[in-house]
Amino acid sequence: GAVVSQHPSRVICKSGTSVKIECRSLDFQATTMFWYRQFPKQSLMLMATSNEGSKATYEQGVEKDKFLINHASLTLSTLTVTSAHPEDSSFYICSAREGAAGTEAFFGQGTRLTVV
Amino acid sequence: AQSVTQLDSQVPVFEEAPVELRCNYSSSVSVYLFWYVQYPNQGLQLLLKYLSGSTLVKSINGFEAEFNKSQTSFHLRKPSVHISDTAEYFCAVSGAGAGSYQLTFGKGTKLSVIP
Repeated sequence: GAVVSQHPSRVICKSGTSVKIECRSLDFQATTMFWYRQFPKQSLMLMATSNEGSKATYEQGVEKDKFLINHASLTLSTLTVTSAHPEDSSFYICSAREGAAGTEAFFGQGTRLTVV
Repeated sequence: AQSVTQLDSQVPVFEEAPVELRCNYSSSVSVYLFWYVQYPNQGLQLLLKYLSGSTLVKSINGFEAEFNKSQTSFHLRKPSVHISDTAEYFCAVSGAGAGSYQLTFGKGTKLSVIP
C-alpha cells in the first residue's frame, strides 16, 4: 500500500515553544490530509481536514491559531503546535487520501509530543 | 453525521481461541466501513474495508468482518488468534459518496492474546 511518512516520531519541547510535525505522502498525491489527536486509551479525534492549496477546515473546539496547518503541496502537510503547553502533550497522527471517498486512508506512524 | 460504538474496550482471549470484536454504527446515509489496527506507538493500518458488494470481507491475516445493514453492525472475527494479533482495533465509518472524506472512529478495542 501507499506510504505516509510522519516526522518526527517523538519530540519533547519546553512549554511556550512551537513544534512542527510533517506529514508526507511518499508515493501518491494526497489531495486531502487529516490530522488527528489521540489521548491515552482513547480513539482518534479529528482535528482538521486540509486540502492542498486551501485553508484547513477545523473541527469544533480546535483552536486554529494554536494548531496551524499548512498543506502547501500534494505530498506535504504540516501541523505546527504554537506556544505549546503540557496539556498539548498527546499522540498526533496524520492520514492522507488520494482521491474519492471509500479509497483507503493511509496513516502516518504518529508523533508523540511531550511538553515539559 | 455518523457515529461508531465499540462495545468492548478490552477483550482478553487465549491463543488459538476465536474472537469477535463488536462494532455498531449509526448513520443517516449509506456508509463505508473500515477496521484499522494500531500497534503501540504507531499509526493505524487498514485491516479490511467494506465499500459495496459482498457483505463478508476478509483480510490477508485471517480476520473477517460482515456488514449487516439491518443490525447496523460490522463485527470483526478471527477463528484462531495469535500472540501477534495483540493490538488496538478501531472500527471506522465514512459516508459513501463524493465528498464524504472524513472517517469517524470508535473508541477502540484492545485485544490481548494470552499465551
